[in-house]
Amino acid sequence: GAVVSQHPSWVICKSGTSVKIECRSLDFQATTMFWYRQFPKQSLMLMATSNEGSKATYEQGVEKDKFLINHASLTLSTLTVTSAHPEDSSFYICSAREHRLPRRTDTQYFGPGTRLTVL
Amino acid sequence: AQSVTQLGSHVSVSEGALVLLRCNYSSSVPPYLFWYVQYPNQGLQLLLKYTSAATLVKGINGFEAEFKKSETSFHLTKPSAHMSDAAEYFCAVSVNTGTASKLTFGTGTRLQVTL
Repeated sequence: GAVVSQHPSWVICKSGTSVKIECRSLDFQATTMFWYRQFPKQSLMLMATSNEGSKATYEQGVEKDKFLINHASLTLSTLTVTSAHPEDSSFYICSAREHRLPRRTDTQYFGPGTRLTVL
Repeated sequence: AQSVTQLGSHVSVSEGALVLLRCNYSSSVPPYLFWYVQYPNQGLQLLLKYTSAATLVKGINGFEAEFKKSETSFHLTKPSAHMSDAAEYFCAVSVNTGTASKLTFGTGTRLQVTL
């Protein structure tokens, strides 16, 4: 149980184009999903918290107009990198939180990640 | 604010030897702590978590971790390393923001297992 998928697993695009990454919780409902970015040999950096049916909460320094997040259902969140540039190349990982109380005991289940390369 | 510090960005052990990956936390409230493993080009897999129940937590793949409040530590151990344990390991603390809990990760420790 608690499987999270991401699609695509990798994508190469030209500078200036937009790329959409999907994150799905396959066997549970996730009221909250998280989007992370990971640079080579570094830790995960939280970009935004996505709650179903409401606007995402972005971390400081993350451009909300650059990284559009939509959480339209309890099993799907999407991250769109708009007008991508080479510096946006990175490994993007989503996670989904299985809803339990108290919230701090919730476990986040991670997707396999999407490697974005912008030429 | 809560944070975690992982001592040692790279640890190398021989196959069959004890694995010890260190994690110290800082928290103004009782923390909830997690260990995740990441294999190359993959997402993170939960190894184990501490949520204020038993201080010795057993996880998957033979790993366990002990929460020590007096030392503010949550070190990850495994009695006998296997080649398949080679991966990146992240310690994380859950941060309660009121409306949602977020994970703050350590910088990671790369475990190398040699023959």
